[in-house]
Amino acid sequence: DAKTTQPTSMDCAEGRAANLPCNHSTISGNEYVYWYRQIHSQGPQYIIHGLKNNETNEMASLIITEDRKSSTLILPHATLRDTAVYYCIVPIFNSGNTPLVFGKGTRLSVIA
Amino acid sequence: DTGVSQNPRHKITKRGQNVTFRCDPISEHNRLYWYRQTLGQGPEFLTYFQNEAQLEKSRLLSDRFSAERPKGSFSTLEIQRTEQGDSAMYLCASSLARALIVLTFGAGSRLTVL
Repeated sequence: DAKTTQPTSMDCAEGRAANLPCNHSTISGNEYVYWYRQIHSQGPQYIIHGLKNNETNEMASLIITEDRKSSTLILPHATLRDTAVYYCIVPIFNSGNTPLVFGKGTRLSVIA
Repeated sequence: DTGVSQNPRHKITKRGQNVTFRCDPISEHNRLYWYRQTLGQGPEFLTYFQNEAQLEKSRLLSDRFSAERPKGSFSTLEIQRTEQGDSAMYLCASSLARALIVLTFGAGSRLTVL
C-alpha cells in the first residue's frame, strides 16, 4: 500500500471537533484515501473516502490537501461514542482487486 | 439483512485441536474477506473470495489455514492443529465487486488457544 502515517493517539473534548491527520506523501494520482474506525470489541466500520475533493457525509468530513499528500478526518462534534481507533488507508491500484491493508491507526479518546 | 454475521463469537480450544469459523456476508455482496487481528494491531489481511473463487491469499495464511466459500454465499475458515500464536480475533468482511473498496465487517470471532 501507499504508506500512510498517523499519530498513535489523540484526545478530544466531548462536543469539540476532532481533527485526525494522515500523511500519504507517496499517493498516486488515481488512488483514493479511505477512513475506517474500530470501536472496542467491534469490527472496523467504513467512514468516508475521497480522491481529491473534500467530502462530507453524515459521519464525518474529509479534507484532502491540494497536493494530495495528506488528509484530515474531521468529526465535527465528537461524542464519547466516537472513542475508537481510526485508520487512514490508501490501497494500491483502485481497481477493487487489492484488499485494504490496515496500519495501527490513531487511537482517539473523547473525554467528557 | 442484519449485516455480516460471524459464529462462534468466542472459541477457546486446546493447542493441537482444529477449529472452524463461519461467516455469513450481506446477501448481495459477492466479495468476502478474512482478516486476523491481534491485540494492539490493525487487522491483517488473510484471504478473499469473489463469489466462490479464492482470488488472493496472504503469506500469513499458512498451510494449517484453509478457507472455503463453496456456493459463493457463506464462508468457513478452518485452522488445523492450532497453536498459541493463532490466538486472535478473526474478522470477516464483505463488499460488492466494484472499484471502490467499501467493506462491511462482522463483529469477529475471538479464538483463544490454551
